[in-house]
Amino acid sequence: DGGITQSPKYLFRKEGQNVTLSCEQNLNHDAMYWYRQDPGQGLRLIYYSQIVNDFQKGDIAEGYSVSREKKESFPLTVTSAQKNPTAFYLCATLDRPGSNQPQHFGDGTRLSIL
Amino acid sequence: AQSVTQLDSQVPVFEEAPVELRCNYSSSVSVYLFWYVQYPNQGLQLLLKYLSGSTLVKGINGFEAEFNKSQTSFHLRKPSVHISDTAEYFCAVSETGGFKTIFGAGTRLFVKA
Repeated sequence: DGGITQSPKYLFRKEGQNVTLSCEQNLNHDAMYWYRQDPGQGLRLIYYSQIVNDFQKGDIAEGYSVSREKKESFPLTVTSAQKNPTAFYLCATLDRPGSNQPQHFGDGTRLSIL
Repeated sequence: AQSVTQLDSQVPVFEEAPVELRCNYSSSVSVYLFWYVQYPNQGLQLLLKYLSGSTLVKGINGFEAEFNKSQTSFHLRKPSVHISDTAEYFCAVSETGGFKTIFGAGTRLFVKA
């Protein structure tokens, strides 16, 4: 089945620690996105990538980093500089940049502070 | 710049009653419009989309939405809700040819027995 796999489902971060959230897709989509979801605030864009080896900052990129070395993978690192990392993180894909199709979403990773 | 406003943060409704979830957007260019549903601890699933053509769009699970260009609205409706419709609903807009989708803050639908 084609889809998006996010792992782990739950993640705990200690003070001063960097953690990495995985997002893998087998939809052969070009574009990938990371969103942060907080209660009552909808989805806020952290980073997006339109093509391999290229990515752009979204609206709330501070304290986060990404890489796009393979088409299938777009990992998100939450660094120690992100002082309020507790949130639900969603990865999404789009067949190609500028497409009129909807984004497809993974099932999310819930990150909490220990 | 685009923006999306979902006018109700929570909508309680009794089972088998009709429901409307309201969405207004602003954009200076042509847009694509979407409604998504999210169940607890899951990702977003597409309910329906408006790309062009007929302003009344039918989606999954008996939902429909109407695009009103003059009022820049895209309200979601269902004539008779079920308990299983309890979830959070997101309205979203993408500019044609753009790279980003903007999401509303969400409306939490509670269906009561």
